[in-house]
Amino acid sequence: NAGVTQTPKFQVLKTGQSMTLQCAQDMNHNSMYWYRQDPGMGLRLIYYSASEGTTDKGEVPNGYNVSRLNKREFSLRLESAAPSQTSVYFCASSIDSGGSEAFFGQGTRLTVV
Amino acid sequence: TQLLKQSPQFLSIQEGENLTVYCNSSSVFSSLQWYRQEPGEGPVLLVTVVTGGEVKKLKRLTFQFGDARKDSSLHITAAQPGDTGLYLCAGEPDSWGKLQFGAGTQVVVTP
Repeated sequence: NAGVTQTPKFQVLKTGQSMTLQCAQDMNHNSMYWYRQDPGMGLRLIYYSASEGTTDKGEVPNGYNVSRLNKREFSLRLESAAPSQTSVYFCASSIDSGGSEAFFGQGTRLTVV
Repeated sequence: TQLLKQSPQFLSIQEGENLTVYCNSSSVFSSLQWYRQEPGEGPVLLVTVVTGGEVKKLKRLTFQFGDARKDSSLHITAAQPGDTGLYLCAGEPDSWGKLQFGAGTQVVVTP
């Protein structure tokens, strides 16, 4: 069972470059999330999609955009990468909202130089 | 500012000792979740607590949800090196779908 698959696993970008992080889940979940994890900060919510066709901002949305392409896929785009966006990014999904278990991908380690 | 505040940030203990990790908020939650994360991996759910005052046990781990549903604790009895990891609490305070996490408590258990 694949669960939540994120690509790529590692990426180095130069300041100002753009990239898209891909996420797909095969569990027929309605809700999907993007988080970033920095030392001492835990997981901070960037954007979420409570159901197909909806997206909303989380705690730290600036500098990011998302697309819920279909029920399975939720991508995160950095239009003009900055060193402050160096982080580990996690995609997650849950069957729905309201306390359902979130399943996480293995993360993307992004470095912006 | 994170809605869920965890303490302590870091805990280092010897095998066989007990430990408690706290998760506090000024907001009421319909439920709270506890996750454990190991290096290079995403978090994995340990338990969900739903009812105020609820106590759940998972082998040597005991989870409690405060009566007012604003706080929770995780107690590990006779810790083992395999309990080493980052423990995170999470919940949805208001907006539907906005699952938020605390900063986590890094637990290190040495043999």
